Amino acid sequence: EDQVTQSPEALRLQEGESSSLNCSYTVSGLRGLFWYRQDPGKGPEFLFTLYSAGEEKEKERLKATLTKKESFLHITAPKPEDSATYLCAVPARSNDYKLSFGAGTTVTVRA
Amino acid sequence: DAGITQSPRHKVTETGTPVTLRCHQTENHRYMYWYRQDPGHGLRLIHYSYGVKDTDKGEVSDGYSVSRSKTEDFLLTLESATSSQTSVYFCAISEPARGSGSYEQYFGPGTRLTVT
Repeated sequence: EDQVTQSPEALRLQEGESSSLNCSYTVSGLRGLFWYRQDPGKGPEFLFTLYSAGEEKEKERLKATLTKKESFLHITAPKPEDSATYLCAVPARSNDYKLSFGAGTTVTVRA
Repeated sequence: DAGITQSPRHKVTETGTPVTLRCHQTENHRYMYWYRQDPGHGLRLIHYSYGVKDTDKGEVSDGYSVSRSKTEDFLLTLESATSSQTSVYFCAISEPARGSGSYEQYFGPGTRLTVT
């Protein structure tokens, strides 16, 4: 069974305090890893797709990296507006069209 | 913005009543999905569609049915709602990611369903 595990479950940061979120997966033959941001009461918003180990993607204060077993989402000098739940997902082993999601990391950035 | 709308956005219903949620898209995407999101479980796939009248089950399909008679609409039906189906339901569409065989999914705003 494909598994996606995110840690920590929750992260409280002071504004400007950089940190990283982890997403580990068990699916072999990875065909993409996706990061999403979700604000309370809204649908997940697509952030990045990573395809191969060593790849990096950046957007504002966020940078996603990928190894063969896990991905990291680095938040550099976060601001309160970066507060959200961050989800990662991978395509199912049996079907590229299905995604397996992690439970998410809820980030709270205090001013 | 992937042009996805969901209706209703909020609904309260009683146990045993049928409920239909609608997902509408305006950009002719082939793949559409229904998820539910619950605390501690994250997003779980209920059903998905890969074309008009072509659907398949996800990991939590029991108690749910779907229909897709037009490209733009994907309906999720709870034939007889139960309290365990209280959840937030999200519709999504997918597009093939450039340069790979993977498909990026884009989500609608969600429907909050409460079954009393």
